[in-house]
Amino acid sequence: AQSVAQPEDQVNVAEGNPLTVKCTYSVSGNPYLFWYVQYPNRGLQFLLKYITGDNLVKGSYGFEAEFNKSQTSFHLKKPSALVSDSALYFCAVRDSSGTSYDKVIFGPGTSLSVIP
Amino acid sequence: GAVVSQHPSWVICKSGTSVKIECRSLDFQATTMFWYRQFPKQSLMLMATSNEGSKATYEQGVEKDKFLINHASLTLSTLTVTSAHPEDSSFYICSARYKLLDIQYFGAGTRLSVL
Repeated sequence: AQSVAQPEDQVNVAEGNPLTVKCTYSVSGNPYLFWYVQYPNRGLQFLLKYITGDNLVKGSYGFEAEFNKSQTSFHLKKPSALVSDSALYFCAVRDSSGTSYDKVIFGPGTSLSVIP
Repeated sequence: GAVVSQHPSWVICKSGTSVKIECRSLDFQATTMFWYRQFPKQSLMLMATSNEGSKATYEQGVEKDKFLINHASLTLSTLTVTSAHPEDSSFYICSARYKLLDIQYFGAGTRLSVL
Protein backbone atom coordinates (compact mmCIF):
# COMPACT_ATOMS: atom_id res chain seq x y z
CA ALA A 1 0.00 0.00 0.00
CA GLN A 2 1.16 3.51 -0.69
CA SER A 3 1.66 6.07 2.05
CA VAL A 4 3.07 9.53 2.59
CA ALA A 5 4.65 11.00 5.70
CA GLN A 6 5.31 14.62 6.48
CA PRO A 7 7.27 14.49 9.73
CA GLU A 8 6.72 18.12 10.68
CA ASP A 9 3.29 19.47 11.58
CA GLN A 10 4.64 23.01 11.62
CA VAL A 11 7.60 24.75 10.05
CA ASN A 12 8.55 28.30 10.98
CA VAL A 13 11.03 30.29 8.94
CA ALA A 14 12.07 33.91 8.79
CA GLU A 15 11.25 35.88 5.68
CA GLY A 16 14.14 35.78 3.23
CA ASN A 17 15.56 32.54 4.62
CA PRO A 18 15.51 29.27 2.72
CA LEU A 19 12.70 26.89 3.57
CA THR A 20 12.36 23.12 3.44
CA VAL A 21 9.20 21.08 3.94
CA LYS A 22 9.93 17.38 4.28
CA CYS A 23 8.16 14.43 2.72
CA THR A 24 8.85 10.71 2.59
CA TYR A 25 6.80 8.13 0.76
CA SER A 26 6.22 4.44 0.31
CA VAL A 27 4.92 2.76 -2.84
CA SER A 28 5.28 -0.66 -4.36
CA GLY A 29 5.97 0.55 -7.90
CA ASN A 30 7.54 3.70 -9.26
CA PRO A 31 6.23 6.83 -7.55
CA TYR A 32 4.52 9.80 -9.06
CA LEU A 33 5.03 12.60 -6.53
CA PHE A 34 3.25 15.90 -6.12
CA TRP A 35 3.24 18.98 -3.93
CA TYR A 36 0.14 21.07 -3.36
CA VAL A 37 -0.50 24.21 -1.30
CA GLN A 38 -3.73 25.10 0.47
CA TYR A 39 -4.72 28.53 1.69
CA PRO A 40 -7.44 28.87 4.37
CA ASN A 41 -10.90 27.72 3.26
CA ARG A 42 -9.67 27.01 -0.25
CA GLY A 43 -8.99 23.97 -2.37
CA LEU A 44 -5.50 22.76 -3.20
CA GLN A 45 -3.25 24.44 -5.72
CA PHE A 46 -0.78 22.38 -7.71
CA LEU A 47 2.88 23.36 -7.20
CA LEU A 48 4.95 20.70 -8.93
CA LYS A 49 5.28 17.03 -9.76
CA TYR A 50 7.90 14.37 -10.32
CA ILE A 51 7.29 11.43 -12.63
CA THR A 52 10.66 10.66 -14.14
CA GLY A 53 13.84 12.35 -15.27
CA ASP A 54 15.80 15.03 -13.45
CA ASN A 55 15.68 14.60 -9.68
CA LEU A 56 15.33 18.35 -9.13
CA VAL A 57 11.91 19.56 -10.15
CA LYS A 58 11.03 23.23 -10.48
CA GLY A 59 7.49 24.40 -9.92
CA SER A 60 5.28 27.41 -9.36
CA TYR A 61 6.09 30.48 -7.24
CA GLY A 62 9.80 29.68 -7.03
CA PHE A 63 9.35 26.31 -5.33
CA GLU A 64 11.38 23.25 -6.21
CA ALA A 65 11.59 19.71 -4.91
CA GLU A 66 14.28 17.09 -4.91
CA PHE A 67 13.50 13.45 -5.50
CA ASN A 68 15.77 11.05 -3.65
CA LYS A 69 15.07 7.44 -4.49
CA SER A 70 17.41 5.89 -1.94
CA GLN A 71 15.89 7.89 0.88
CA THR A 72 12.36 7.72 -0.60
CA SER A 73 12.05 11.45 -0.05
CA PHE A 74 10.65 14.37 -1.98
CA HIS A 75 11.40 17.51 0.05
CA LEU A 76 9.96 20.85 -1.01
CA LYS A 77 12.35 23.81 -1.03
CA LYS A 78 12.49 27.50 -1.74
CA PRO A 79 15.67 29.61 -1.60
CA SER A 80 14.02 32.69 -0.07
CA ALA A 81 10.72 32.51 1.80
CA LEU A 82 7.98 35.13 1.50
CA VAL A 83 5.32 35.94 4.08
CA SER A 84 2.75 35.06 1.41
CA ASP A 85 4.12 31.50 1.33
CA SER A 86 2.48 30.90 4.72
CA ALA A 87 -0.03 28.11 4.08
CA LEU A 88 -0.65 24.40 4.44
CA TYR A 89 1.49 22.19 2.22
CA PHE A 90 0.60 18.68 1.16
CA CYS A 91 2.85 16.06 -0.35
CA ALA A 92 1.08 13.39 -2.39
CA VAL A 93 2.02 10.15 -4.09
CA ARG A 94 0.50 7.95 -6.72
CA ASP A 95 1.67 4.43 -7.44
CA SER A 96 2.48 4.03 -11.12
CA SER A 97 1.50 0.38 -11.11
CA GLY A 98 -1.18 -1.88 -9.81
CA THR A 99 -4.89 -1.48 -9.44
CA SER A 100 -4.68 1.78 -7.52
CA TYR A 101 -3.17 3.62 -10.47
CA ASP A 102 -5.55 6.54 -10.25
CA LYS A 103 -5.50 6.95 -6.50
CA VAL A 104 -3.47 9.81 -5.09
CA ILE A 105 -2.67 9.59 -1.40
CA PHE A 106 -1.99 12.77 0.53
CA GLY A 107 0.30 13.30 3.47
CA PRO A 108 -1.01 14.85 6.69
CA GLY A 109 0.11 18.32 5.70
CA THR A 110 2.69 20.76 7.05
CA SER A 111 1.73 24.23 8.16
CA LEU A 112 4.33 26.74 7.05
CA SER A 113 4.61 30.08 8.79
CA VAL A 114 6.94 32.70 7.38
CA ILE A 115 7.74 35.31 9.96
CA PRO A 116 8.34 38.88 8.79
CA GLY B 1 -3.24 25.79 -14.98
CA ALA B 2 -6.52 24.03 -15.59
CA VAL B 3 -9.59 25.23 -13.71
CA VAL B 4 -11.99 23.18 -11.64
CA SER B 5 -15.11 24.93 -10.43
CA GLN B 6 -16.95 23.71 -7.35
CA HIS B 7 -20.35 24.99 -6.31
CA PRO B 8 -21.64 26.01 -3.84
CA SER B 9 -18.73 27.23 -1.75
CA TRP B 10 -20.78 27.23 1.43
CA VAL B 11 -24.07 25.62 2.30
CA ILE B 12 -26.10 25.46 5.48
CA CYS B 13 -28.93 22.95 5.69
CA LYS B 14 -31.28 21.40 8.18
CA SER B 15 -30.76 17.90 9.47
CA GLY B 16 -32.52 15.35 7.30
CA THR B 17 -32.32 17.30 4.06
CA SER B 18 -30.15 16.51 1.06
CA VAL B 19 -27.45 18.69 -0.42
CA LYS B 20 -25.94 18.52 -3.90
CA ILE B 21 -22.41 19.73 -4.66
CA GLU B 22 -21.27 20.23 -8.24
CA CYS B 23 -17.76 19.89 -9.61
CA ARG B 24 -16.94 21.03 -13.13
CA SER B 25 -13.75 20.95 -15.14
CA LEU B 26 -13.95 24.19 -17.10
CA ASP B 27 -11.26 23.88 -19.74
CA PHE B 28 -10.53 20.19 -19.99
CA GLN B 29 -12.34 16.89 -20.05
CA ALA B 30 -12.01 14.67 -17.04
CA THR B 31 -12.87 11.02 -17.25
CA THR B 32 -11.91 10.68 -13.61
CA MET B 33 -12.88 12.96 -10.76
CA PHE B 34 -12.33 12.53 -7.05
CA TRP B 35 -14.22 13.56 -3.93
CA TYR B 36 -12.41 14.27 -0.69
CA ARG B 37 -13.45 15.23 2.79
CA GLN B 38 -11.26 17.37 5.00
CA PHE B 39 -11.61 17.91 8.73
CA PRO B 40 -10.12 21.01 10.37
CA LYS B 41 -6.34 21.02 10.30
CA GLN B 42 -6.27 17.53 8.83
CA SER B 43 -5.38 16.00 5.53
CA LEU B 44 -7.70 15.09 2.71
CA MET B 45 -9.57 11.82 3.02
CA LEU B 46 -10.47 10.27 -0.31
CA MET B 47 -14.15 9.37 -0.31
CA ALA B 48 -14.66 8.08 -3.81
CA THR B 49 -13.36 8.00 -7.35
CA SER B 50 -15.89 9.07 -9.94
CA ASN B 51 -15.60 7.68 -13.46
CA GLU B 52 -17.58 9.16 -16.33
CA GLY B 53 -20.36 6.88 -17.45
CA SER B 54 -19.89 4.29 -14.75
CA LYS B 55 -20.43 3.78 -11.05
CA ALA B 56 -18.20 5.50 -8.56
CA THR B 57 -15.65 3.55 -6.56
CA TYR B 58 -16.03 4.22 -2.87
CA GLU B 59 -13.30 3.97 -0.27
CA GLN B 60 -13.71 1.64 2.64
CA GLY B 61 -15.98 3.05 5.30
CA VAL B 62 -17.75 5.54 3.03
CA GLU B 63 -21.49 4.91 2.75
CA LYS B 64 -22.41 4.87 -0.92
CA ASP B 65 -26.11 5.32 -0.16
CA LYS B 66 -25.39 8.42 1.86
CA PHE B 67 -22.89 10.03 -0.49
CA LEU B 68 -24.32 9.66 -3.97
CA ILE B 69 -21.92 10.41 -6.79
CA ASN B 70 -22.90 10.96 -10.39
CA HIS B 71 -20.44 11.61 -13.22
CA ALA B 72 -22.81 12.13 -16.09
CA SER B 73 -20.47 13.97 -18.45
CA LEU B 74 -16.78 14.50 -19.07
CA THR B 75 -16.90 17.84 -17.29
CA LEU B 76 -19.35 17.36 -14.44
CA SER B 77 -19.48 15.24 -11.32
CA THR B 78 -21.94 15.73 -8.47
CA LEU B 79 -21.89 14.64 -4.85
CA THR B 80 -25.22 14.46 -3.06
CA VAL B 81 -25.20 14.15 0.70
CA THR B 82 -28.51 12.47 1.47
CA SER B 83 -30.37 12.89 4.75
CA ALA B 84 -27.60 15.04 6.11
CA HIS B 85 -26.80 15.02 9.82
CA PRO B 86 -24.59 17.29 11.89
CA GLU B 87 -21.75 14.76 11.77
CA ASP B 88 -21.68 15.23 7.98
CA SER B 89 -20.61 18.83 8.48
CA SER B 90 -17.22 19.15 6.87
CA PHE B 91 -15.20 20.65 4.04
CA TYR B 92 -15.72 18.70 0.83
CA ILE B 93 -13.26 19.09 -2.03
CA CYS B 94 -13.44 17.70 -5.52
CA SER B 95 -10.65 17.25 -8.02
CA ALA B 96 -10.44 16.33 -11.67
CA ARG B 97 -7.61 14.52 -13.32
CA TYR B 98 -6.22 16.26 -16.38
CA LYS B 99 -4.97 13.22 -18.20
CA LEU B 100 -2.74 15.05 -20.69
CA LEU B 101 -0.60 16.52 -17.90
CA ASP B 102 -1.28 13.72 -15.44
CA ILE B 103 -2.17 16.25 -12.74
CA GLN B 104 -5.15 16.48 -10.42
CA TYR B 105 -6.64 19.95 -10.24
CA PHE B 106 -8.82 20.89 -7.30
CA GLY B 107 -11.99 22.84 -6.77
CA ALA B 108 -12.12 25.52 -4.10
CA GLY B 109 -14.13 23.30 -1.77
CA THR B 110 -17.58 23.35 -0.21
CA ARG B 111 -18.12 24.03 3.47
CA LEU B 112 -21.19 22.08 4.58
CA SER B 113 -22.84 22.94 7.88
CA VAL B 114 -25.76 20.75 8.97
CA LEU B 115 -27.89 22.22 11.75
